[in-house]
Amino acid sequence: GAGVSQSPRYKVAKRGQDVALRCDPISGHVSLFWYQQALGQGPEFLTYFQNEAQLDKSGLPSDRFFAERPEGSVSTLKIQRTQQEDSAVYLCASSLGGQTEQYFGPGTRLTVT
Amino acid sequence: AQTVTQSQPEMSVQEAETVTLSCTYDTSESDYYLFWYKQPPSRQMILVIRQEAYKQQNATENRFSVNFQKAAKSFSLKISDSQLGDAAMYFCAYRSMNRDDKIIFGKGTRLHILP
Repeated sequence: GAGVSQSPRYKVAKRGQDVALRCDPISGHVSLFWYQQALGQGPEFLTYFQNEAQLDKSGLPSDRFFAERPEGSVSTLKIQRTQQEDSAVYLCASSLGGQTEQYFGPGTRLTVT
Repeated sequence: AQTVTQSQPEMSVQEAETVTLSCTYDTSESDYYLFWYKQPPSRQMILVIRQEAYKQQNATENRFSVNFQKAAKSFSLKISDSQLGDAAMYFCAYRSMNRDDKIIFGKGTRLHILP
């Protein structure tokens, strides 16, 4: 079956532009996580959804970052007024919930110029 | 707060040899998971091995095994018979067992395999 997919795979944005990154989780997975991975670092948690409910957004670095999952399936991470420090790989992961394994997508590499 | 520390930014090993990657972590919880993930240049995060903290027996998956020392909060990964395809970034990671929770990653170790 299909895994977690993310689009676009690469995004270049000029400083100040808004971007939207999409995550398609594995069908039937209720939990969805977003992580940010800066160059040469490990991924860091951004936010977590259980179905359509955003249960934890403690990792979002600023109010320029916004995530949604309106129908409990596809999720979008939006970054407004992008800054150079937003350049990173954004990883999405989904799971069946509880203690089950998180499956990761291939990530979106965002470069802000 | 939980933390994961990998003190080896890079390591190299000769093909067919054995290599051990180190990891230490800090937590006040008693129930948790520890993981090793592999991230090749494709960026796809692949689960290599998982250890439940309540299990005394060290996890093994084919050529991959761990040395889990709960009291010392140490969790090392041993790769036997290293292969060229093992070259990647390896991340040690922690996750609470008490809830559907985020994964906390270390900074990673880049493993080079020398032919």
